[in-house]
Amino acid sequence: QPVLTQSPSASASLGASVKLTCTLSSGHSSYAIAWHQQQPEKGPRYLMRLNNDGSHIKGDGIPDRFSGSSSGAERYLTISSLQSEDEADYYCQTWATGIRVFGGGTKLTVL
Amino acid sequence: EVQLLESGGGLVQPGGSLRLSCAASGFTFSSYAMSWVRQAPGKGLEWVSTTSTYYADSVKGRFTISRDTSKNTLYLQMNSLRAEDTAIYYCAKDDASGSYFHSWGQGTLVTVSS
Repeated sequence: QPVLTQSPSASASLGASVKLTCTLSSGHSSYAIAWHQQQPEKGPRYLMRLNNDGSHIKGDGIPDRFSGSSSGAERYLTISSLQSEDEADYYCQTWATGIRVFGGGTKLTVL
Repeated sequence: EVQLLESGGGLVQPGGSLRLSCAASGFTFSSYAMSWVRQAPGKGLEWVSTTSTYYADSVKGRFTISRDTSKNTLYLQMNSLRAEDTAIYYCAKDDASGSYFHSWGQGTLVTVSS
């Protein structure tokens, strides 16, 4: 089954951009993923589905500041013009027949 | 607007049982796969179960997912509970293809402790 690897933490300054990475395990580089955001003390929120060709489908109301891209087994979430409310945990998630898999999550700190 | 409202969490002793409910509205409930995802204190998200009968290995044989389409409600029957089942349990609506979690509830806390 696929395994997703994320860096535990990232930081960037208010107004800057940040690129978060989710890496698919060997043999699963063609898989699509979904990105989810979890702000402190809140439930998760779906951000987007990201395909291996970089095309993505965002959830309702997700700002244009959030975008996705892909390269090989890497799936990226880029957040531009960082705002304080972007400080959150970000999880990637994929799927196979009968299972769903999460990455360990990246805690984003906005400085 | 999709709304998912979990209930049924609480404190239960090890070995005990609990049934969680998720009341759904704003979409055709019977047309979508539904899932449960949990989050232990200070930890990441962990998939638990998806309709019809998919389970994580950690809960297989102890948890049962079901749905009542007449009530637009999803359930999770949890038996033989262990301390490591302590978590916030989230209900999630899948996307149309049944692949990823498209909408989330706010969660209900389950604490397994003596």
